Amino acid sequence: GDSVTQMEGPVTLSEEAFLTINCTYTATGYPSLFWYVQYPGEGLQLLLKATKADDKGSNKGFEATYRKETTSFHLEKGSVQVSDSAVYFCALFPWSSNTGKLIFGQGTTLQVKP
Amino acid sequence: DVKVTQSSRYLVKRTGEKVFLECVQDMDHENMFWYRQDPGLGLRLIYFSYDVKMKEKGDIPEGYSVSREKKERFSLILESASTNQTSMYLCASSSPPQNTEAFFGQGTRLTVV
Repeated sequence: GDSVTQMEGPVTLSEEAFLTINCTYTATGYPSLFWYVQYPGEGLQLLLKATKADDKGSNKGFEATYRKETTSFHLEKGSVQVSDSAVYFCALFPWSSNTGKLIFGQGTTLQVKP
Repeated sequence: DVKVTQSSRYLVKRTGEKVFLECVQDMDHENMFWYRQDPGLGLRLIYFSYDVKMKEKGDIPEGYSVSREKKERFSLILESASTNQTSMYLCASSSPPQNTEAFFGQGTRLTVV
């Protein structure tokens, strides 16, 4: 079945460092890919998404490119801030699904120190 | 502003109690979901509903049931709470086209003692 694998955390960075969180997926066809973020004490909110191969999603300085050849959707940011400390979830919407059901990775905790 | 509201942020219940977690959305969404979030396991789908009175099992439905009598409300029921159901529970809603954004509630942290 379809699945998502994220790099294990926690990831600890200093402010202004470069961030990469790896995400790979297994799926048939052409799934849609998402990054969600969960700030402390809150629910998840959509950070960015890409719906077809080679699409780049971007928001709040974060970017991720849908790479079908490597089945990856890595999250990057050039300069992180303390306010970016959160849990990041990579997710997949299966190509053949008609129910809106997302498949999530296990989440990666990011801690940014001043 | 769109909203998914869960009735409680924190709950403490005793083993064997029947527990109700309530979720309300104000976006007229067709789809509603209940997920469970545990460290290292990410989000796992318990149940979802794509229409009033319709429900389907997710990946971990054992020990849970759901009710959707009105479009805006989706309830998760723990028939007889057990300590291994201590977790964070997240409700979400979405609407077709199916690959659009899912909106999440703030979560309910349930502790079963």
